[in-house]
Amino acid sequence: NAGVTQTPKFQVLKTGQSMTLQCAQDMNHNSMYWYRQDPGMGLRLIYYSASEGTTDKGEVPNGYNVSRLNKREFSLRLESAAPSQTSVYFCASSESGALGYTFGSGTRLTVV
Amino acid sequence: QKEVEQNSGPLSVPEGAIASLNCTYSDRGSQSFFWYRQYSGKSPELIMFIYSNGDKEDGRFTAQLNKASQYVSLLIRDSQPSDSATYLCAAANSGGSNYKLTFGKGTLLTVNP
Repeated sequence: NAGVTQTPKFQVLKTGQSMTLQCAQDMNHNSMYWYRQDPGMGLRLIYYSASEGTTDKGEVPNGYNVSRLNKREFSLRLESAAPSQTSVYFCASSESGALGYTFGSGTRLTVV
Repeated sequence: QKEVEQNSGPLSVPEGAIASLNCTYSDRGSQSFFWYRQYSGKSPELIMFIYSNGDKEDGRFTAQLNKASQYVSLLIRDSQPSDSATYLCAAANSGGSNYKLTFGKGTLLTVNP
């Protein structure tokens, strides 16, 4: 079982470029989440999808968009990357969250 | 603002000792609580969760919850160097049928051989 798969693992972008971070889970979970992790800031929720067809903003949604493509896949898009978006991005999934999340391996993004 | 607070550490203990990690939360509506371990450069992995007042034991790990004091702790007995990692505390709040986790900033634990 792969669990939660994120691609790419590393990415360097120039300011103003766009990119999409991909996430897929094979556990038939209903809910999926995108977090960013910065030194001294902990994990902060960007967007989440409680179920297929729904998405909602989290704590730090500005500068991001998401798409819940189907039950398996939840993508995060940066339309115009900024240096402040340099971070490690984690995708997670859960049945409902009540039993915790399973995290992907992360994407380390640097915006120069 | 729902907050989860942890001492950032580092917490340093000798091998074989008990490591005690603490966490407080602000939202009384929080229903369940989680401890994750995160090795440097890796993703968080779930160690255990607790939702009832009292203690819950799993091998060398014991989670403790006191909802009246809004306090959660994790005890690691017989600490090993392989336990050296950052430990994240999280509280789950329900919004309809979906639970969102709010994470603390983590406590860095170092176990010295």
